[in-house]
Amino acid sequence: DGGITQSPKYLFRKEGQNVTLSCEQNLNHDAMYWYRQDPGQGLRLIYYSQIVNDFQKGDIAEGYSVSREKKESFPLTVTSAQKNPTAFYLCATINRAEMNTEAFFGQGTRLTVV
Amino acid sequence: DAKTTQPTSMDCAEGRAANLPCNHSTISGNEYVYWYRQIHSQGPQYIIHGLKNNETNEMASLIITEDRKSSTLILPHATLRDTAVYYCIVRGHTGTASKLTFGTGTRLQVTL
Repeated sequence: DGGITQSPKYLFRKEGQNVTLSCEQNLNHDAMYWYRQDPGQGLRLIYYSQIVNDFQKGDIAEGYSVSREKKESFPLTVTSAQKNPTAFYLCATINRAEMNTEAFFGQGTRLTVV
Repeated sequence: DAKTTQPTSMDCAEGRAANLPCNHSTISGNEYVYWYRQIHSQGPQYIIHGLKNNETNEMASLIITEDRKSSTLILPHATLRDTAVYYCIVRGHTGTASKLTFGTGTRLQVTL
């Protein structure tokens, strides 16, 4: 929605496998964010990126990795080092150049590790 | 970005106004207050934002105190479809990265 697409909507993986979640935007926004949400909980920031080829750890980065090779794309890899990867993952973008604009969210990817 | 605190949950009768408070006592002068809501298993939806003046749009009103340390989101005539988790965040620019941190939000339950 709003020019930001997450795929797939549901993802199943076996324990110990790395998995990459896709986030693509056509809003020409510089800033992109990844959040994790557990049942009944709020959004916790995993990683964020303000410009291409640069990103910073959020509050719960352990066990995750990201890349930002293109402005439109900010994929998140959930590695085997992440102890509890089953969760709902949300991607967001913001036009960093303007304070007076809202963040746009994707519809999320629900990852289940079995 | 400044930290916000909100009540964990609130109830509201359908047709009545829902008033959701948010405390942001450490807000800086250039930080905006934003409100989002999240309906189960969807991405958060933008509602409204403001800097220091009260704001109103087709969804809600935002009342910011004069000292900007707190705000209230008002849904004037709540419906069952307004049942959701409401997040208040503050956002500004420091010239470096802006973390865009969400808290735990307020779970609003609208009842018949």
